[in-house]
Amino acid sequence: GAVVSQHPSRVICKSGTSVKIECRSLDFQATTMFWYRQFPKQSLMLMATSNEGSKATYEQGVEKDKFLINHASLTLSTLTVTSAHPEDSSFYICSALAGGRVETQYFGPGTRLLVL
Amino acid sequence: QQPVQSPQAVILREGEDAVINCSSSKALYSVHWYRQKHGEAPVFLMILLKGGEQKGHDKISASFNEKKQQSSLYLTASQLSYSGTYFCGTELSPGNTGKLIFGQGTTLQVKP
Repeated sequence: GAVVSQHPSRVICKSGTSVKIECRSLDFQATTMFWYRQFPKQSLMLMATSNEGSKATYEQGVEKDKFLINHASLTLSTLTVTSAHPEDSSFYICSALAGGRVETQYFGPGTRLLVL
Repeated sequence: QQPVQSPQAVILREGEDAVINCSSSKALYSVHWYRQKHGEAPVFLMILLKGGEQKGHDKISASFNEKKQQSSLYLTASQLSYSGTYFCGTELSPGNTGKLIFGQGTTLQVKP
């Protein structure tokens, strides 16, 4: 149980284009999902909290117009990197919050973005 | 505030033991441990709640000392599959949307 998928796993795009990344919880519903960015050999940096049916909550320093988040259903959140630039190249990972005695984050396999 | 993990890196031989610490400057409600292999997503290991409980999963166990605001992950009789980067994620209070603040990670390498 608690499987999270991400698509695509890898994407290469030209500078100035937009890229959409999907995060799905496959066997559970998640009203809350999280989007992280991870640079090589570094920790997971929380970008935003995605809430089903309401606006995402962005961490300080993360541009909400640059990183658009939509949580359309209880199993799907999308992150769109708009007008991507080389500095946006990174490993983007989502997680979905599963309920229980203690809520637990389960991570997707990540999306490696390379902007040329 | 980001929790501090120590050590930053450790190299072991198969069968040896290791301890990874996670310290916070703020009071914690829970600590979540994950292991990440290179290029992959973090995999959930276990959660510890305040109350000083200790948990175990096969030969991996953990403790949580809320007074010291610290959690420790114990890996005994390490196996090659234990290699990876271990992250602790801390939750400051319940109902905080499940948001975690992750430490900088501890890289563990197990050699034959």
